[in-house]
Amino acid sequence: GAVVSQHPSRVICKSGTSVKIECRSLDFQATTMFWYRQFPKQSLMLMATSNEGSKATYEQGVEKDKFLINHASLTLSTLTVTSAHPEDSSFYICSASTPGQGAYGYTFGSGTRLTVV
Amino acid sequence: AQSVAQPEDQVNVAEGNPLTVKCTYSVSGNPYLFWYVQYPNRGLQFLLKYITGDNLVKGSYGFEAEFNKSQTSFHLKKPSALVSDSALYFCAVSLTGRRALTFGSGTRLQVQP
Repeated sequence: GAVVSQHPSRVICKSGTSVKIECRSLDFQATTMFWYRQFPKQSLMLMATSNEGSKATYEQGVEKDKFLINHASLTLSTLTVTSAHPEDSSFYICSASTPGQGAYGYTFGSGTRLTVV
Repeated sequence: AQSVAQPEDQVNVAEGNPLTVKCTYSVSGNPYLFWYVQYPNRGLQFLLKYITGDNLVKGSYGFEAEFNKSQTSFHLKKPSALVSDSALYFCAVSLTGRRALTFGSGTRLQVQP
């Protein structure tokens, strides 16, 4: 079946540095990728939607200059957390719309736990 | 407002007993409803979805869900729970005109041996 590979699975960084999270669709072309954030014991909140070759659409309240999303190819989307602060510590999950599963098929990455110290 | 609600933070059930995890939704138009399961520090695994057709949807690992339009519910069920079913379960809805999913708050299922 469709697989989305997300890396790294865990990352610890110092406050003020930037971190890049990658999501790759391994055996299909992901024209649309969704990025979610999950706080401990809470649900997933949509951060942004990215379409290959165009600018990402950010949800209200999400700082686009802080959470940079690049979807330059049909198999790779990246989320860069710039100038990270402890409040950015969270679990980040990507999801790709998956062909062959109808209009509403999605495949999720395994998530990245970011800890900013 | 369009949303999905999971009224129970946690559901406890004994192994071998039937389980139900509740979900209600509020959307304008026809809802597209999903159930996902999440294990610790992992992404989400797809269980089942309702787009159209039969109200009873059968999914992975023996799970099923019933779409009830009059009660605006999409409860997840399994006839006989396993200890390995213990995880966090999310109900989600795709909003009219959008393709991203809106998730409920999640329900932790604990199956006791």
